[in-house]
Order: sequence, then C-alpha cells, then structure tokens
Amino acid sequence: AQSVTQLDSHVSVSEGTPVLLRCNYSSSYSPSLFWYVQHPNKGLQLLLKYTSAATLVKGINGFEAEFKKSETSFHLTKPSAHMSDAAEYFCVVPLGSSASKIIFGSGTRLSIRP
Amino acid sequence: NAGVMQNPRHLVRRRGQEARLRCSPMKGHSHVYWYRQLPEEGLKFMVYLQKENIIDESGMPKERFSAEFPKEGPSILRIQQVVRGDSAAYFCASSPDRGYATEAFFGQGTRLTVV
Repeated sequence: AQSVTQLDSHVSVSEGTPVLLRCNYSSSYSPSLFWYVQHPNKGLQLLLKYTSAATLVKGINGFEAEFKKSETSFHLTKPSAHMSDAAEYFCVVPLGSSASKIIFGSGTRLSIRP
Repeated sequence: NAGVMQNPRHLVRRRGQEARLRCSPMKGHSHVYWYRQLPEEGLKFMVYLQKENIIDESGMPKERFSAEFPKEGPSILRIQQVVRGDSAAYFCASSPDRGYATEAFFGQGTRLTVV
C-alpha cells in the first residue's frame, strides 16, 4: 500500500536560513509525489510534483524537492526562508492507477522566526 | 475563471442538527473530491464524484454522511445529526475531465464547528 510519512510535525527556522521538510514514502513502485502548501485560512496550493522525469524538481516560491529512491524520500528544501513561507506543508502520493484520490501526509507546520 | 468556491467558510451547528457544505467546481471541471482535515491532522480522502455519480466513497463514514454532485448546481456534502467529532475543516477539490486528483484545485474549505 502506498503511504507517506512526514517526520516532523513542526519545524521552526530563522528568516534567511535553509528550510528542510522531510517526507518518506512507502510504495511498491516509483510513485508520483507532490508537495502542497496551505497558508492560514487558505485552500491548498500545489507547490511542486515529481512524475518520474528529473529527480530534482523545482517548484514555486523557490522551493525544490529531490526524489531519492534508495532512501524512499522526497524532502522539500529552500535555501533561504522568508516570512511568507510560514504555512502547513503536506507531502502527497496519489493512489490507484488513475490517481483518482490522493493520500496526504500528516503535515508539517513551518514557522519562521524574524 | 473563479477558483473552486466553497460555502459557507464557517459553519456552526448544534449537536443533532444537519450540516450542508457546498462546493462549486472550477468552470469546465466535472470531477469533485471531498477531504476532511481534523484538528492537528492531515487531510483524509472522503469521496470522489463525477456529475450525478459517486465514483469512490471509500473514505466516507458509513452513517450520517452523504454526498452528491447533481447535473446542475454545486456538489453537496451533507452531515446529518452532527456530533462534536464532526468538527473539522472540509475541503473540496475539482479536476478536469481526466479525473486525476493530483491535478485538482482546492477550495478554501469550510470549517465546521459543532457545539
């Protein structure tokens, strides 16, 4: 069965420092993987997606993620955090051949210190 | 092209009342998905609908919950006889004809509070 595990429920970094949000997946084959972001009182927005092309995926707002099959990981990174990055981040894997539903990780809340 | 519209944004119901959550998909989208986000938890899939059809309701509680997506009008998630444990944020998403949830666009959610 496919699943995702977000290892940290809360991450706090200082503005201008790197961000690392960790995600490990479980799948019997190389899945598609996604990161969504949810700002306070807003809907979910697709940040980036991996679909078996390049293993390093660049997303919006300077975020990127690297698919590492050997480590079954898809960690989200950003070189320099901005105050506007404070949000909830979800690692996501689709379920089924037609990807008719998607499975969300439990989320990581990112806080940015001034 | 407006995004996915959910209303109301906030809904307060007393225990035992009914809650109706509405979702208008993006123009041209015929696939709708409902997710529930309990406090301090991630989102959980509830149901996937196309126009006039329920495709996958494997995430729906067996009792009190129902969903529809009629030929005309918004998709409705209905919760009868609400209980405190139903308090959550309910998100709707829509996708184009191919029905890939990974290409879905999400609404801002309805926050249901049961008192």
